[in-house]
Amino acid sequence: QSALTQPASVSGSPGQSITISCTGTSSDVGGYNYVSWYQQHPGKAPKLMIYDVSNRPSGVSYRFSGSKSGNTASLTISGLQAEDEADYYCSSFTSSSTLVLFGGGTKLTVL
Amino acid sequence: QVQLVQSGAEVKKPGSSVMVSCKASGGTFSSYGITWVRQAPGQGIEWMGGIIPISGTTNYAQEFQGRVTISTDESTNTAYMELSRLRSDDTAVYYCARALTIIASGAIGYNWFDPWGQGTLVTVSS
Repeated sequence: QSALTQPASVSGSPGQSITISCTGTSSDVGGYNYVSWYQQHPGKAPKLMIYDVSNRPSGVSYRFSGSKSGNTASLTISGLQAEDEADYYCSSFTSSSTLVLFGGGTKLTVL
Repeated sequence: QVQLVQSGAEVKKPGSSVMVSCKASGGTFSSYGITWVRQAPGQGIEWMGGIIPISGTTNYAQEFQGRVTISTDESTNTAYMELSRLRSDDTAVYYCARALTIIASGAIGYNWFDPWGQGTLVTVSS
């Protein structure tokens, strides 16, 4: 099964807001509220930022928020900071035999 | 706070096997699952499979069926991932992560992943 679709790159200036989309199908993103988002800095392990579409784990900044409409989930980062520059991946449960799908990743550049 | 500590980097020949370990410190796997993913150089994240230690249930991505084996040793709070018949395109960083298990559409699945191990680089080269 194909990976979830994310834009390859997004950029924004400090203080601005950006949104990263994650598009799937009714068998994954659209069918379940089991979408999560991960931040990965170069050479580091991914870090959970959002789970169950819109929930933030303890310790994750309020500037990170998640939402979903139809088959597309979104991660919004407000008040961009230099430290937000990283790769971001979405993931979803899927009813196919694959069970778990990841997006291809989005590189966020803070200008 | 549970931390996952993985074994060190490996260099393997094509056709051989590799086993990567993932030990939970500061806690146990408890009722969570353990999942394995990999990331080839400069590439995205690819899910390989997972295990629910309390039941021993394993699930593997179709791409890795027949080549990967995931297991746990609850006495040492350690999970293992063995990948056989290695090829050069298996060169990647392999990560374990604790996973929340769910029941959806009548099937066991894996939801979010946290925490993650530090990663293990496996290089396949002749």
